[in-house]
Amino acid sequence: EAQVTQNPRYLITVTGKKLTVTCSQNMNHEYMSWYRQDPGLGLRQIYYSMNVEVTDKGDVPEGYKVSRKEKRNFPLILESPSPNQTSLYFCASSFSPGRTQYFGPGTRLTVL
Amino acid sequence: RKEVEQDPGPFNVPEGATVAFNCTYSNSASQSFFWYRQDCRKEPKLLMSVYSSGNEDGRFTAQLNRASQYISLLIRDSKLSDSATYLCVVTPRGDKLIFGTGTRLQVFP
Repeated sequence: EAQVTQNPRYLITVTGKKLTVTCSQNMNHEYMSWYRQDPGLGLRQIYYSMNVEVTDKGDVPEGYKVSRKEKRNFPLILESPSPNQTSLYFCASSFSPGRTQYFGPGTRLTVL
Repeated sequence: RKEVEQDPGPFNVPEGATVAFNCTYSNSASQSFFWYRQDCRKEPKLLMSVYSSGNEDGRFTAQLNRASQYISLLIRDSKLSDSATYLCVVTPRGDKLIFGTGTRLQVFP
C-alpha cells in the first residue's frame, strides 16, 4: 500500500529534550516536506527536500533540523524543543511540488 | 498581506445547496494551484488541481483567475459528507508550497 508513515503519532516531552520525528514514504517520491499546523495559522512549511542530500528552509525553520540521507526517509529533528513548538506536524511527499502531496497521519507534539 | 488568503468561515449550508469558496494569492508568478480537503485534524488530501481553463470533477468545479489572482471552488448539491475544511494551496515558486488557513464548511440536514 502506498503511504507516508510518521512516528510517533503522539509525543509529550519537556523543554530542551532532543527529539526526532520520523517520516518514511514508499512511493519513490523525490519531494518531501514538513509542516506544522496551528489554529488560525493553517499549515506552514518548515523544511522541504527536492531530493537526497538537498534540503531547504520553508517559512518557519527556526528550531528545527532535517536530513535526507535516503530517498524514502526525511526525519524532523528538534534539538532543544520549546513550548512554542507544541503543534500538529505533518510530513508529505510527492514527485514534485506541483504534483499531488501525500500526507502522513500527523504527529501531535506537546512540549511542557 | 498574506501570500494566500481564505475566508475561514464557517459556511453553514443545507444539504443540496450550492456553495462557493474563493482564495486569493499575492504572487503573480505562482505556478500551481490546488484544493485540498481536511477532516477534523486529520491529514489533508487532494481534492482537485486547478487548471487555467477551469476543471470539473463531479459536483466540484475549480477555476483560476490569473488576472485577479484568485482561485475558486464550487460545490453543487452539497452532501453531509462534504463537511470539512477546504485548503487552498499555491506554489509561488517551483519548490515551496503555501497553504491558506482553510475555509470550514458545515452541511446540515
